[in-house]
This record gives sequence, structure tokens and C-alpha cells, in this order.
Amino acid sequence: DAGITQSPRYKITETGRQVTLMCHQTWSHSYMFWYRQDLGHGLRLIYYSAAADITDKGEVPDGYVVSRSKTENFPLTLESATRSQTSVYFCASSSPGQGKEQPQHFGDGTRLSIL
Amino acid sequence: AQKITQTQPGMFVQEKEAVTLDCTYDTSDPSYGLFWYKQPSSGEMIFLIYQGSYDQQNATEGRYSLNFQKARKSANLVISASQLGDSAMYFCAMRPDSGGYQKVTFGTGTKLQVIP
Repeated sequence: DAGITQSPRYKITETGRQVTLMCHQTWSHSYMFWYRQDLGHGLRLIYYSAAADITDKGEVPDGYVVSRSKTENFPLTLESATRSQTSVYFCASSSPGQGKEQPQHFGDGTRLSIL
Repeated sequence: AQKITQTQPGMFVQEKEAVTLDCTYDTSDPSYGLFWYKQPSSGEMIFLIYQGSYDQQNATEGRYSLNFQKARKSANLVISASQLGDSAMYFCAMRPDSGGYQKVTFGTGTKLQVIP
């Protein structure tokens, strides 16, 4: 089925470990995004990508790395996880342009706990 | 800089009643879009409705409508005939028409609980 898939749905890891969250979309959307959701903050943009091999920082990029070698995949890596990175992570995608035809479509989220 | 304010952290509504979720925004961009998303307890984010800043009419999508008052910079979501399945977090978001998707700003959300 077409859509946006995140994996894993749940992850527990320890501080200092590297962890990668995966995101795959089948719509061929050019734009992809990573957000984190924390209580009292809503969603905050970590990184986004306008196309394959084009990525840029969002509001809270420190401690994260992204890549986009293929249009459909946009993995997010925590190079050395810290407790402050415990959060729910959402991947989203969108086609370019304006208007109601171009909302962001979100994955189901990854709940990440760092002990 | 943009800002979205949702002043109601939580709300209750009786089943079959209408409810309004407040959203005010601040932006210097002359043209922008406003979005509402629903997040049920299962966690996914579901797009509900969109309003463009230059749209002449308020947006409607089924039981959802957006009460857009540009001069007051408000974009309240109205849910008519509430159902138990409407219990969820609701997020307001804004994106300027210039500058791209990286400028989407979300509010902190309102938790709606529908009472039988």
C-alpha cells in the first residue's frame, strides 16, 4: 500500500549508542521531514530534505544526522544517544507547492527511549 | 518568526455537541496556509483541514470547519456533532507560502475528550 512507513515503532537503547530510525515513503514526494514530539513543545523540526542528496537543518538538529541517497528513504541517525533525545519521532513527506493538496503526510511515529 | 498558540491544553465536549478548538498565530508573511491535524491515542498524525490566507471562504471538510478570522489572526477548528472517535490531540500548524516547508510551525496541541 502507498504511504509512509517508520521503523522501528518502539526502541529502547542506552546513552552513547548509535541508533538509526528509518523512514520510507511510496508517494515519490520530493520533500521529507523529521520531527520530534515532546510534551509542551508540539512538533519541532529536526531536519528536512527537498530532494535526494539535498538536506538541511531544522529547529533542533544538534545530535542528529540524516541522509537521503534515494527519494523514498530518509533515515535519521542519533550518533551518540543522550537521555534528552528520548522522544517520539515522526517522519513526514509532502509534494512541493502550496494549498490543501500539499499537506504533510506523517508516519505512525517511533517512540524512542534512551536509558 | 512565526508562532502558533493553542491556549486550551484540554477540553471536554458532550457527544453530539459542537466544539471549537482555538488557534491564534503570528506571522509577518503576507501569504500563508493554516492546517489542522488530529493525533489519536494510537499516535499517528492525521491531516484534517487546510485554509489559505487568501481564501475567501472558510474551509470545510465534512464535520470539520475552520473559522478563519484574518484580522484577528485566528484559525479555530470547529467540530460539529462530536463523536467518541473525535477524542484525540489536535494540532494547529502554519506554513508561509514563501520560504518552504522548513518553516512549518506547530502549536502545542489541545487534548479533546468526548463524553458519552
